[in-house]
Amino acid sequence: ETGVTQTPRHLVMGMTNKKSLKCEQHLGHNAMYWYKQSAKKPLELMFVYNFKEQTENNSVPSRFSPECPNSSHLFLHLHTLQPEDSALYLCASSQLGLGKEETQYFGPGTRLLVL
Amino acid sequence: DQQVKQNSPSLSVQEGRISILNCDYTNSMFDYFLWYKKYPAEGPTFLISISSIKDKNEDGRFTVFLNKSAKHLSLHIVPSQPGDSAVYFCAASQGGKLIFGQGTELSVKP
Repeated sequence: ETGVTQTPRHLVMGMTNKKSLKCEQHLGHNAMYWYKQSAKKPLELMFVYNFKEQTENNSVPSRFSPECPNSSHLFLHLHTLQPEDSALYLCASSQLGLGKEETQYFGPGTRLLVL
Repeated sequence: DQQVKQNSPSLSVQEGRISILNCDYTNSMFDYFLWYKKYPAEGPTFLISISSIKDKNEDGRFTVFLNKSAKHLSLHIVPSQPGDSAVYFCAASQGGKLIFGQGTELSVKP
């Protein structure tokens, strides 16, 4: 595997379900990110992890719970979601600390539908 | 208030011609700018970037121009090809945090 991978690619869940999204980066980066993309809206940053430590929580509801066990893996645990949470969830990684030019590389995303 | 704006939701161009995608930003502290390309059902793919200390960066058919005084960024694709049809997002960075525009859907017609 190369780049950034995400599983599952598609997920349908009920509002009472608990599910997890998984992201793995094979680029040797030290930072990982979760983004949400809703229809016709810009990508919204949700969480940032730098060296496994959460450095940003962009006012995300507690029904989204991130976990970063190491610098290569990132999870997003989902619990009691609402239909308006249906969106494309994207994971990205980058190498922070190289100066200003820190490009983020994205995975293919998980298309989530909450019924 | 959106800090990064792409005011054209769509653009249609004939194959072989130039495509020009535009992006405006409001925060003068942004120090790095990027363009991403996105196909349906895939994640954004990094295309080209430019540092705030430059005004032009070129990579093959793709050139990004930065006008800091106007807080304006543009991506030129020449010649345009049907495979370039996708949604293009501009993004601005401050301290490694990216702010994205809404995207412009480019359609290149044969």
